[in-house]
Amino acid sequence: AQKITQTQPGMFVQEKEAVTLDCTYDTSDPSYGLFWYKQPSSGEMIFLIYQGSYDQQNATEGRYSLNFQKARKSANLVISASQLGDSAMYFCAMRDEGKLIFGQGTELSVKP
Amino acid sequence: DVKVTQSSRYLVKRTGEKVFLECVQDMDHENMFWYRQDPGLGLRLIYFSYDVKMKEKGDIPEGYSVSREKKERFSLILESASTNQTSMYLCASSMTGEFGSEAFFGQGTRLTVV
Repeated sequence: AQKITQTQPGMFVQEKEAVTLDCTYDTSDPSYGLFWYKQPSSGEMIFLIYQGSYDQQNATEGRYSLNFQKARKSANLVISASQLGDSAMYFCAMRDEGKLIFGQGTELSVKP
Repeated sequence: DVKVTQSSRYLVKRTGEKVFLECVQDMDHENMFWYRQDPGLGLRLIYFSYDVKMKEKGDIPEGYSVSREKKERFSLILESASTNQTSMYLCASSMTGEFGSEAFFGQGTRLTVV
């Protein structure tokens, strides 16, 4: 069965520093997609970044990059130069066989 | 602008009531999803649909059913609401089956069962 695991319930980072949010996944399907979403306190879900299982390069979107290690089944999100507005819940998600499943989430707090 | 709209932002229902949560998308997406979100548990998939009248169980379908009579509308039904179904419910939609297709979310419905 597919599974997504985020082992960090909460993280703190100093403003302007980089932070890595961990995500591991499990699937027997060779084709899948990995996503990261941000959920600020307002509750909206904001798509951040996508990585396909066959993509050779790690995905990047502005200050967000995805450290994809296929053999280890990990897809960690790296946020560079953290800003106060990055304080939010972050969810890792995986899509295969039509399903889209999410991890437990990591609450990131950025300190001034 | 893409839009997924959930019929209510807040809902209070009594134990045993039949509850309908409605979700409408205007993007002509084939796939639609219902999740519940609880602290520490993340988003858990209840049901999803990949076409009109088609549905698949997610990870926690017990106590819920769904209906998709039209492509744009996906309804979540609590047959007999119970207090343990008090939660935030999120609806999402995406293009068909493409792994890179991001999901777009509604604003959520916070349901309280008393």
